[in-house]
Amino acid sequence: QVQLVQSGAEVKKPGSSVKVSCKASRGTFDASAINWVRQAPGQGLEWMGVIIPIFETTNYAQNFQDRVTFTADKSTGTAYMELSSLRSEDTAIYYCATSRRSVPLHGLDPWGQGTLVTVSS
Amino acid sequence: DIQMTQSPSSLSASVGDRVVITCRASQSISSFLNWYQQKPGKAPKLLLYAASSLQSGVPSRFSGSGSGTDFTLTINSLQPEDFATYYCQQSHISPYTFGRGTNLEIK
Repeated sequence: QVQLVQSGAEVKKPGSSVKVSCKASRGTFDASAINWVRQAPGQGLEWMGVIIPIFETTNYAQNFQDRVTFTADKSTGTAYMELSSLRSEDTAIYYCATSRRSVPLHGLDPWGQGTLVTVSS
Repeated sequence: DIQMTQSPSSLSASVGDRVVITCRASQSISSFLNWYQQKPGKAPKLLLYAASSLQSGVPSRFSGSGSGTDFTLTINSLQPEDFATYYCQQSHISPYTFGRGTNLEIK
């Protein structure tokens, strides 16, 4: 089964941007979709959106529509999540997770290990 | 957005117990409901999808049921490794929202 390996922790200033990567262990996503989910400290899970790398199609949750961009490099099997205009409330662990299609009818599996993004002045 | 309400928010139980966690959707989601387990410091793990289908490799003591707006996750004969936080997620309409979680603790 493919594994997802995410980039390391980041510390960012308010108003800046962060870009988190998520690499498939076998170097390709096939036709899978990559979802992004975040979890604020001590809080629950929040679905941010999904990208299908081979089609370069995206679906963003409205809460993030204006600030987030998902991209993918098919040649390396790496997906990216960029969040701009960061504020303290964006401090969270950001996860990538695979679904078979853009609609996660079979759930999200597997997940990356998570990337902690801390927004602090 | 579809709101997912889990109950209870926390639960104490003993090894060997049977526990039931419920998840209610703010509108009908058919059977498009997934369950996850998360342990401290770890990513969530998929347990069940489509309300009652067990993910490969997940022990059979985990089961799910429900359709429409009301769903349950049942864990039979609790094992020490089952103490964790459990989340439901609807996969019917984007955004694919999660419940706020149920923290299952050792009594």
